[in-house]
Amino acid sequence: EIVMTQSPATLSVSPGERATLSCRASQSVSSDLAWYQQKPGQAPRLLIYGASTRATGVPARFTGSGSGTEFTLTISSLQSEDFAVYYCQQYNKWPPYTFGQGTKLEIK
Amino acid sequence: EVQLLESGGGLVQPGGSLRLSCAASGFRFSNYAMNWVRQAPGKGLEWVSSISGSGGRTHYADSVKGRFTISRDNSESTLYLQMNGLRADDTAIYHCAKDIYSSLGGNWFDPWGQGTLVTVSS
Repeated sequence: EIVMTQSPATLSVSPGERATLSCRASQSVSSDLAWYQQKPGQAPRLLIYGASTRATGVPARFTGSGSGTEFTLTISSLQSEDFAVYYCQQYNKWPPYTFGQGTKLEIK
Repeated sequence: EVQLLESGGGLVQPGGSLRLSCAASGFRFSNYAMNWVRQAPGKGLEWVSSISGSGGRTHYADSVKGRFTISRDNSESTLYLQMNGLRADDTAIYHCAKDIYSSLGGNWFDPWGQGTLVTVSS
Protein backbone atom coordinates (compact mmCIF):
# COMPACT_ATOMS: atom_id res chain seq x y z
CA GLU A 1 0.00 0.00 0.00
CA ILE A 2 1.28 3.44 -0.91
CA VAL A 3 1.41 5.79 2.07
CA MET A 4 0.74 9.46 1.40
CA THR A 5 2.21 11.98 3.85
CA GLN A 6 1.16 15.61 3.86
CA SER A 7 2.99 18.49 5.48
CA PRO A 8 2.52 20.56 7.41
CA ALA A 9 -0.49 19.34 9.37
CA THR A 10 -1.58 22.94 9.90
CA LEU A 11 -0.52 26.00 7.94
CA SER A 12 -1.28 29.53 9.12
CA VAL A 13 -1.23 32.13 6.36
CA SER A 14 -2.60 35.65 6.03
CA PRO A 15 -5.15 36.51 3.33
CA GLY A 16 -3.43 37.71 0.19
CA GLU A 17 -0.30 35.69 0.85
CA ARG A 18 0.86 32.47 -0.82
CA ALA A 19 0.38 29.00 0.67
CA THR A 20 2.47 25.97 -0.23
CA LEU A 21 1.22 22.51 0.75
CA SER A 22 3.27 19.34 0.32
CA CYS A 23 2.39 15.72 -0.33
CA ARG A 24 4.86 12.86 -0.43
CA ALA A 25 4.26 9.31 -1.64
CA SER A 26 6.08 6.32 -0.16
CA GLN A 27 6.84 5.15 -3.71
CA SER A 28 6.47 6.66 -7.14
CA VAL A 29 2.91 7.38 -8.29
CA SER A 30 4.02 9.03 -11.54
CA SER A 31 1.61 11.96 -12.04
CA ASP A 32 -1.42 10.05 -10.75
CA LEU A 33 -2.22 12.45 -7.96
CA ALA A 34 -5.31 14.49 -7.10
CA TRP A 35 -5.91 17.30 -4.63
CA TYR A 36 -9.22 17.92 -2.86
CA GLN A 37 -10.49 20.80 -0.74
CA GLN A 38 -12.90 20.20 2.12
CA LYS A 39 -14.70 22.84 4.15
CA PRO A 40 -16.46 22.04 7.45
CA GLY A 41 -19.67 20.10 6.92
CA GLN A 42 -19.14 19.88 3.18
CA ALA A 43 -18.15 17.22 0.71
CA PRO A 44 -14.58 17.12 -0.59
CA ARG A 45 -14.20 19.09 -3.84
CA LEU A 46 -11.81 18.08 -6.61
CA LEU A 47 -9.21 20.78 -7.31
CA ILE A 48 -6.40 19.13 -9.25
CA TYR A 49 -5.89 15.82 -11.07
CA GLY A 50 -2.95 14.47 -13.00
CA ALA A 51 -0.80 16.34 -10.47
CA SER A 52 -1.21 19.65 -12.29
CA THR A 53 -4.50 19.87 -14.19
CA ARG A 54 -7.11 22.13 -12.61
CA ALA A 55 -10.63 20.73 -12.44
CA THR A 56 -13.46 22.60 -14.08
CA GLY A 57 -14.23 25.87 -12.33
CA VAL A 58 -11.13 25.89 -10.11
CA PRO A 59 -9.53 29.33 -9.97
CA ALA A 60 -6.14 29.86 -11.55
CA ARG A 61 -4.62 30.75 -8.17
CA PHE A 62 -4.53 26.99 -7.45
CA THR A 63 -1.47 25.32 -8.98
CA GLY A 64 -0.40 21.71 -8.66
CA SER A 65 3.09 20.48 -9.43
CA GLY A 66 5.39 17.52 -8.98
CA SER A 67 5.73 13.93 -10.08
CA GLY A 68 7.05 10.67 -8.75
CA THR A 69 7.00 11.00 -4.97
CA GLU A 70 6.97 14.75 -4.32
CA PHE A 71 3.99 17.00 -4.99
CA THR A 72 3.02 20.56 -4.17
CA LEU A 73 -0.22 22.51 -4.13
CA THR A 74 0.35 26.24 -4.28
CA ILE A 75 -2.38 28.77 -3.64
CA SER A 76 -1.31 32.25 -4.62
CA SER A 77 -2.95 35.26 -2.99
CA LEU A 78 -5.19 33.44 -0.51
CA GLN A 79 -8.84 34.37 -0.45
CA SER A 80 -11.12 33.94 2.58
CA GLU A 81 -12.91 31.03 0.90
CA ASP A 82 -9.62 29.10 0.53
CA PHE A 83 -9.25 28.37 4.23
CA ALA A 84 -10.10 24.70 4.48
CA VAL A 85 -8.54 21.24 4.75
CA TYR A 86 -6.68 19.91 1.71
CA TYR A 87 -6.10 16.25 0.89
CA CYS A 88 -3.94 14.55 -1.70
CA GLN A 89 -4.88 11.17 -3.20
CA GLN A 90 -2.85 8.74 -5.27
CA TYR A 91 -4.58 6.62 -7.90
CA ASN A 92 -1.54 5.01 -9.50
CA LYS A 93 -1.38 1.76 -7.57
CA TRP A 94 -4.65 0.48 -6.26
CA PRO A 95 -6.48 -1.01 -4.53
CA PRO A 96 -6.37 0.69 -2.21
CA TYR A 97 -6.69 4.30 -3.28
CA THR A 98 -4.87 6.20 -0.53
CA PHE A 99 -5.15 9.72 0.82
CA GLY A 100 -2.86 11.93 2.81
CA GLN A 101 -3.93 12.83 6.33
CA GLY A 102 -4.73 16.38 5.28
CA THR A 103 -3.35 19.89 5.74
CA LYS A 104 -5.51 22.41 7.53
CA LEU A 105 -5.05 25.87 6.04
CA GLU A 106 -6.03 28.46 8.63
CA ILE A 107 -6.13 32.21 8.80
CA LYS A 108 -3.12 33.80 10.46
CA GLU B 1 -25.97 19.35 -12.43
CA VAL B 2 -24.52 16.17 -10.99
CA GLN B 3 -25.91 15.41 -7.55
CA LEU B 4 -25.21 12.62 -5.09
CA LEU B 5 -27.39 12.21 -2.03
CA GLU B 6 -26.54 9.64 0.62
CA SER B 7 -28.98 8.21 3.12
CA GLY B 8 -29.36 5.32 5.52
CA GLY B 9 -26.91 6.27 8.23
CA GLY B 10 -27.72 6.11 11.91
CA LEU B 11 -26.87 4.61 15.28
CA VAL B 12 -26.29 0.86 15.33
CA GLN B 13 -24.95 -1.51 17.95
CA PRO B 14 -21.67 -3.36 17.47
CA GLY B 15 -22.23 -6.43 15.33
CA GLY B 16 -25.25 -4.87 13.70
CA SER B 17 -26.03 -4.10 10.07
CA LEU B 18 -26.91 -1.05 8.05
CA ARG B 19 -27.54 -0.36 4.38
CA LEU B 20 -26.47 2.94 2.89
CA SER B 21 -27.88 4.39 -0.32
CA CYS B 22 -26.59 7.06 -2.69
CA ALA B 23 -29.12 8.51 -5.13
CA ALA B 24 -27.47 9.94 -8.21
CA SER B 25 -28.81 12.43 -10.72
CA GLY B 26 -27.57 14.68 -13.50
CA PHE B 27 -25.53 12.09 -15.37
CA ARG B 28 -25.86 8.69 -17.01
CA PHE B 29 -25.28 6.58 -13.92
CA SER B 30 -24.42 3.33 -15.67
CA ASN B 31 -21.55 4.99 -17.53
CA TYR B 32 -19.49 5.57 -14.41
CA ALA B 33 -17.84 3.56 -11.69
CA MET B 34 -18.79 4.63 -8.18
CA ASN B 35 -17.03 4.66 -4.85
CA TRP B 36 -17.56 4.85 -1.11
CA VAL B 37 -15.08 6.84 0.98
CA ARG B 38 -15.42 7.31 4.73
CA GLN B 39 -14.22 9.88 7.20
CA ALA B 40 -14.04 9.15 10.92
CA PRO B 41 -14.99 12.12 13.12
CA GLY B 42 -12.28 14.75 12.88
CA LYS B 43 -10.10 12.46 10.77
CA GLY B 44 -8.98 12.09 7.17
CA LEU B 45 -10.38 10.25 4.17
CA GLU B 46 -10.31 6.46 3.80
CA TRP B 47 -11.33 4.68 0.61
CA VAL B 48 -13.81 1.88 1.35
CA SER B 49 -15.03 0.30 -1.89
CA SER B 50 -15.48 0.75 -5.65
CA ILE B 51 -17.81 -0.76 -8.24
CA SER B 52 -17.62 -0.62 -12.03
CA GLY B 53 -20.33 0.98 -14.13
CA SER B 54 -21.86 -2.37 -15.02
CA GLY B 55 -21.58 -3.60 -11.45
CA GLY B 56 -19.56 -6.58 -12.58
CA ARG B 57 -16.36 -5.67 -10.75
CA THR B 58 -15.87 -4.60 -7.19
CA HIS B 59 -12.97 -3.86 -4.84
CA TYR B 60 -12.78 -3.39 -1.08
CA ALA B 61 -10.42 -2.02 1.50
CA ASP B 62 -8.93 -4.77 3.66
CA SER B 63 -10.57 -3.18 6.71
CA VAL B 64 -14.08 -3.94 5.37
CA LYS B 65 -13.52 -6.98 3.16
CA GLY B 66 -15.91 -9.78 4.02
CA ARG B 67 -18.19 -7.48 6.02
CA PHE B 68 -19.29 -4.81 3.51
CA THR B 69 -20.88 -5.32 0.07
CA ILE B 70 -21.11 -2.63 -2.59
CA SER B 71 -23.81 -2.86 -5.25
CA ARG B 72 -25.72 -0.67 -7.64
CA ASP B 73 -29.08 -0.48 -9.39
CA ASN B 74 -28.50 1.27 -12.69
CA SER B 75 -32.21 1.36 -13.46
CA GLU B 76 -32.72 3.43 -10.30
CA SER B 77 -29.41 5.36 -10.48
CA THR B 78 -28.64 4.27 -6.94
CA LEU B 79 -25.49 3.01 -5.26
CA TYR B 80 -25.59 0.88 -2.12
CA LEU B 81 -23.31 -0.22 0.68
CA GLN B 82 -24.47 -3.13 2.80
CA MET B 83 -22.54 -3.09 6.06
CA ASN B 84 -22.59 -6.15 8.32
CA GLY B 85 -20.65 -6.97 11.46
CA LEU B 86 -20.22 -3.31 12.26
CA ARG B 87 -17.51 -2.29 14.71
CA ALA B 88 -16.84 0.89 16.66
CA ASP B 89 -14.03 1.81 14.26
CA ASP B 90 -16.53 1.85 11.38
CA THR B 91 -18.00 5.02 12.89
CA ALA B 92 -17.64 7.66 10.20
CA ILE B 93 -19.33 9.84 7.64
CA TYR B 94 -19.72 7.76 4.50
CA HIS B 95 -19.44 9.66 1.23
CA CYS B 96 -20.30 8.32 -2.18
CA ALA B 97 -18.16 9.66 -5.01
CA LYS B 98 -18.49 9.44 -8.76
CA ASP B 99 -15.58 8.04 -10.73
CA ILE B 100 -14.46 9.63 -13.95
CA TYR B 101 -14.66 6.44 -16.01
CA SER B 102 -16.86 3.38 -16.27
CA SER B 103 -14.07 0.93 -15.59
CA LEU B 104 -12.29 0.54 -12.28
CA GLY B 105 -8.78 1.64 -11.58
CA GLY B 106 -6.49 4.59 -11.74
CA ASN B 107 -9.15 7.21 -11.30
CA TRP B 108 -9.94 10.26 -9.26
CA PHE B 109 -13.33 11.15 -7.83
CA ASP B 110 -15.63 13.97 -8.87
CA PRO B 111 -18.00 14.94 -7.41
CA TRP B 112 -18.64 13.68 -3.89
CA GLY B 113 -21.80 13.60 -1.85
CA GLN B 114 -22.02 15.28 1.56
CA GLY B 115 -22.23 11.94 3.27
CA THR B 116 -24.29 10.10 5.84
CA LEU B 117 -23.15 9.51 9.42
CA VAL B 118 -22.84 5.98 10.75
CA THR B 119 -22.31 5.62 14.49
CA VAL B 120 -21.52 2.21 15.93
CA SER B 121 -22.00 2.19 19.67
CA SER B 122 -23.76 0.29 22.43
